[in-house]
Amino acid sequence: AQTVTQSQPEMSVQEAETVTLSCTYDTSESNYYLFWYKQPPSRQMILVIRQEAYKQQNATENRFSVNFQKAAKSFSLKISDSQLGDTAMYFCAFMKLGNQFYFGTGTSLTVIP
Amino acid sequence: EAGVTQFPSHSVIEKGQTVTLRCDPISGHDNLYWYRRVMGKEIKFLLHFVKESKQDESGMPNNRFLAERTGGTYSTLKVQPAELEDSGVYFCASSLTGSSGNTIYFGEGSWLTVV
Repeated sequence: AQTVTQSQPEMSVQEAETVTLSCTYDTSESNYYLFWYKQPPSRQMILVIRQEAYKQQNATENRFSVNFQKAAKSFSLKISDSQLGDTAMYFCAFMKLGNQFYFGTGTSLTVIP
Repeated sequence: EAGVTQFPSHSVIEKGQTVTLRCDPISGHDNLYWYRRVMGKEIKFLLHFVKESKQDESGMPNNRFLAERTGGTYSTLKVQPAELEDSGVYFCASSLTGSSGNTIYFGEGSWLTVV
């Protein structure tokens, strides 16, 4: 069975600082995808970043980057230069081929002005 | 291009009543998913349609839940009769088979409260 663990229910960061959200997962699959989604107070779930398991290079999208450690089954999200609009619930997700997603319980991030 | 839309955005019903949630996927997307998040817990998979066929319904909690996708376009998820533990946010998502990165797009969710 696939499981996704987010051990930080809540986090806060000062505006313009850097914060890292942790995520670990468990799977016997060798080919899969990992995602971070955010759900701001407006409620729309938005894709933040995506990582293919077969790629060793860590994905980066502007201020968002991941530290993907396949052997350790770890997939942390780093947000640099945090902005007030980054305040949201962040979900780590694992997807195996066949498109079924498995989500973590989420991390509520608050950016403090 | 319109995203995934869900209706209603909020619903409060009494135990024993029936509620029907609707999802309109992104136009042309053949994959449609339903997920549910109970407060404080992870988002859990309910089922997956490919066009009008149920590809995987292993996450459906019990026979009080019925999902349909007639014609392979919009989908409905009916809960009958609703129980207190059915309260939560029901997310719909869609994707296009073969699209880059297998990205799925979520709706805003339908917030269901059973009292």
